Amino acid sequence: ETGVTQTPRHLVMGMTNKKSLKCEQHLGHNAMYWYKQSAKKPLELMFVYNFKEQTENNSVPSRFSPECPNSSHLFLHLHTLQPEDSALYLCASSQDLENYEQYFGPGTRLTVT
Amino acid sequence: GNSVTQMEGPVTLSEEAFLTINCTYTATGYPSLFWYVQYPGEGLQLLLKATKADDKGSNKGFEATYRKETTSFHLEKGSVQVSDSAVYFCALSESGANNLFFGTGTRLTVIP
Repeated sequence: ETGVTQTPRHLVMGMTNKKSLKCEQHLGHNAMYWYKQSAKKPLELMFVYNFKEQTENNSVPSRFSPECPNSSHLFLHLHTLQPEDSALYLCASSQDLENYEQYFGPGTRLTVT
Repeated sequence: GNSVTQMEGPVTLSEEAFLTINCTYTATGYPSLFWYVQYPGEGLQLLLKATKADDKGSNKGFEATYRKETTSFHLEKGSVQVSDSAVYFCALSESGANNLFFGTGTRLTVIP
C-alpha cells in the first residue's frame, strides 16, 4: 500500500466503550498528525508527533489518548467519549515539521451514541 | 492571531463554468498560503500553494494568487468539470507544517 491509510473507516461506539483508531504511513515521513473534522468548522489540529515524540497537544480532552510507537504508525485511543465527539478523524504525515505539505489519510468516521 | 475565512458554499456550477472560491486570511507575519481539496471518501490533498506575495500557485487548471494588499488567496478555474466536485480548503502557515490553519471548506458540485 502507498500513502496514508486509516482503519477503521467507520466506527460506531457507545459512550462507555474503549476503541482505537489506527493510522499508517508508507511515505518515510517523520511527522504525523491527528485532526478532527466537524461539519461547518475548520479542521482542528489535535496532536503532532515528530520522530515519535509528541510536540503538540492542542488542549485535547484526556478521553483522547494518542500513541506513536514508531514514525510510521499513529494511534488514537478513545475512552468514554461524548456524542459531540462524533466527527471525521483525519491522520496526516509530512516529511518533517518544516515541510508544509501534509499527506492525509481518508479518515475514520466516528459516531458516538 | 492566524485565521482563514472562505466562502461557505455550497457552490453548484454547470460544467465548463468559471469558478471562484474566495479566501481571505489574517496573519501576524508573512504566511505561506495553500489550497487543499478533499474528494468524496478521501483525505485532503494539496492542490496548490504560494509562499510569498504576488506568487501564483497553479495545478490541474486551478490558480490562486497571493495578494498581500487584500490579504486574499482566491481560487479560480476557467472551466470546471464534473470531476472537480469536492470540498476545497484554504489554509495558511507561518512556521511549518505543524501550524497549518484551515478554513471551514467550500463544497463544490459541478453538474453536467
